[in-house]
Amino acid sequence: RKEVEQDPGPFNVPEGATVAFNCTYSNSASQSFFWYRQDCRKEPKLLMSVYSSGNEDGRFTAQLNRASQYISLLIRDSKLSDSATYLCAAFNQGGKLIFGQGTELSVKP
Amino acid sequence: NAGVTQTPKFRVLKTGQSMTLLCAQDMNHEYMYWYRQDPGMGLRLIHYSVGEGTTAKGEVPDGYNVSRLKKQNFLLGLESAAPSQTSVYFCASTNGASEAFFGQGTRLTVV
Repeated sequence: RKEVEQDPGPFNVPEGATVAFNCTYSNSASQSFFWYRQDCRKEPKLLMSVYSSGNEDGRFTAQLNRASQYISLLIRDSKLSDSATYLCAAFNQGGKLIFGQGTELSVKP
Repeated sequence: NAGVTQTPKFRVLKTGQSMTLLCAQDMNHEYMYWYRQDPGMGLRLIHYSVGEGTTAKGEVPDGYNVSRLKKQNFLLGLESAAPSQTSVYFCASTNGASEAFFGQGTRLTVV
């Protein structure tokens, strides 16, 4: 079982929809969490870090629930340009950075 | 701004051949990582390093070796390539609990 798991999708949504991704982690020593975006098998790039208090960046909101060991990403008012694969990641105190399987999002006109 | 550079970008190997992938970063990062990516599998951690001279096993270390002789370089070796090692390989570096930066990837095919 992977330390970080997420639904691989694909998620097919119309423009303007709200879509939510969830990710669970099994290592309670994980201390930092992230969402990355990956386009067409290019290198992943950081979308946003995830903080315990929750954080928002424009149409994107990330949440962390330490008690249940999951993180989430909410995308509001989806754009065609949001089509990509979204990867969650957990960094633990031993320096290990583990990624989930990635969730593919396709936003249609 | 070079960031993280991987060489080579593409390679075709015959079964049983060996090769080394080089990852170089110019951001003075302590932590470096090697991942492989296969369809539907996300990024799977092969080996990682928390500092010069240290290495540790990740999720899928078998068939690979690594070395971190210099802080800026992290080498991934395949001693005897197998078709199951056909994949896209990504290197990444970070200063810890902050953004990780990735190289552009190496597409390896083992025939």
